[in-house]
Amino acid sequence: AQKVTQAQTEISVVEKEDVTLDCVYETRDTTYYLFWYKQPPSGELVFLIRRNSFDEQNEISGRYSWNFQKSTSSFNFTITASQVVDSAVYFCALTSNTGGFKTIFGAGTRLFVKA
Amino acid sequence: DAGVIQSPRHEVTEMGQEVTLRCKPISGHNSLFWYRQTMMRGLELLIYFNNNVPIDDSGMPEDRFSAKMPNASFSTLKIQPSEPRDSAVYFCASRSGLAGPDYEQYFGPGTRLTVT
Repeated sequence: AQKVTQAQTEISVVEKEDVTLDCVYETRDTTYYLFWYKQPPSGELVFLIRRNSFDEQNEISGRYSWNFQKSTSSFNFTITASQVVDSAVYFCALTSNTGGFKTIFGAGTRLFVKA
Repeated sequence: DAGVIQSPRHEVTEMGQEVTLRCKPISGHNSLFWYRQTMMRGLELLIYFNNNVPIDDSGMPEDRFSAKMPNASFSTLKIQPSEPRDSAVYFCASRSGLAGPDYEQYFGPGTRLTVT
């Protein structure tokens, strides 16, 4: 079965703090794809990053970085020097062959960044 | 380039009425997804289409829900009759690539449905 677990329901930090959002996934497929999406208070979901199962390279994009570790089935997301505009719900998602390539979303982590 | 377009943005209706939500995917995208988001259940996939053909509708809650995609640029999600528990935000998303799972989905702004 496929599953995405985001154990942190809510996180609250003060501006300029670093914060890591955890994502643990389950799949029996050897080929799969992982994603992070951001849902700001305005409501739309915005794509942030994707990773395929063959590429364990970590990625950095500005203040955002992602750590993909197949050994622990984790795809964690770190925001460095958080800003108020980072306040949003962040979703981790998984797509694989099982289930015909439909995407399974985690429950989301709500991040509050206080000024 | 226009993103995914959904209409209406807000819908308030009375229990028992028919509701139709509309979606126009990004031009050239050949996969389309309907999701429902509630506080209790989070983001749920209702149905998705590849090349206008429904591939998986296992998330459709019951027979009151139906979805169609008559062509590559239009899809509808219909609820008949509507019930208060259908109140949620309904998102449409589209994806590029021929059944390409490695591509990201682009989401529309959502339709906030309130059934009284």
